[in-house]
Amino acid sequence: EPEVTQTPSHQVTQMGQEVILRCVPISNHLYFYWYRQILGQKVEFLVSFYNNEISEKSEIFDDQFSVERPDGSNFTLKIRSTKLEDSAMYFCASTASRNTGELFFGEGSRLTVL
Amino acid sequence: DAKTTQPTSMDCAEGRAANLPCNHSTISGNEYVYWYRQIHSQGPQYIIHGLKNNETNEMASLIITEDRKSSTLILPHATLRDTAVYYCIVRELHNQGGKLIFGQGTELSVKP
Repeated sequence: EPEVTQTPSHQVTQMGQEVILRCVPISNHLYFYWYRQILGQKVEFLVSFYNNEISEKSEIFDDQFSVERPDGSNFTLKIRSTKLEDSAMYFCASTASRNTGELFFGEGSRLTVL
Repeated sequence: DAKTTQPTSMDCAEGRAANLPCNHSTISGNEYVYWYRQIHSQGPQYIIHGLKNNETNEMASLIITEDRKSSTLILPHATLRDTAVYYCIVRELHNQGGKLIFGQGTELSVKP
């Protein structure tokens, strides 16, 4: 069964460092998403991406965050200068249809900022 | 903000049916009801979705009331592996970007 894969599974970084989280969506999917989940809290939407541009972003997704699909397969989330409060699980998701299609989620990347 | 209300937690005996309720009294005609679950901080997993008719798949059944203001997810024979947080989500048919908005969900504990 096709799946969304994410790397790394866990990253520890120092505050102020740049972090790139990577995702390989399911191959025929066209819509991509990043979510985050702070420990003990709910899953929060960050950004959706289609046709090489952001479709929608939440208030959380400020100038410190960026996304791109550099090579047609990977979908990355970059945090330019990490803060302690960026510590969370980051989930990538993809879907073939933004209307009724189910979102397939990866297993997540745990980011720990020290 | 999530447009649904779910109980915070529920217990279910292994082998019995788990019935998870969800209220979505402000649902509009172009919004679907989706159910996802999250097992211990893994990525959310799709279960089922519906518009107004009841739906069934290999994982669960979804019962939507005639006025569409509430629904029930039914796991017919719950197992220990069904212990998870279950999210009921209302999703607009043509929403920009197709995002899902998660609430707090129901923490289902299946007990032996």
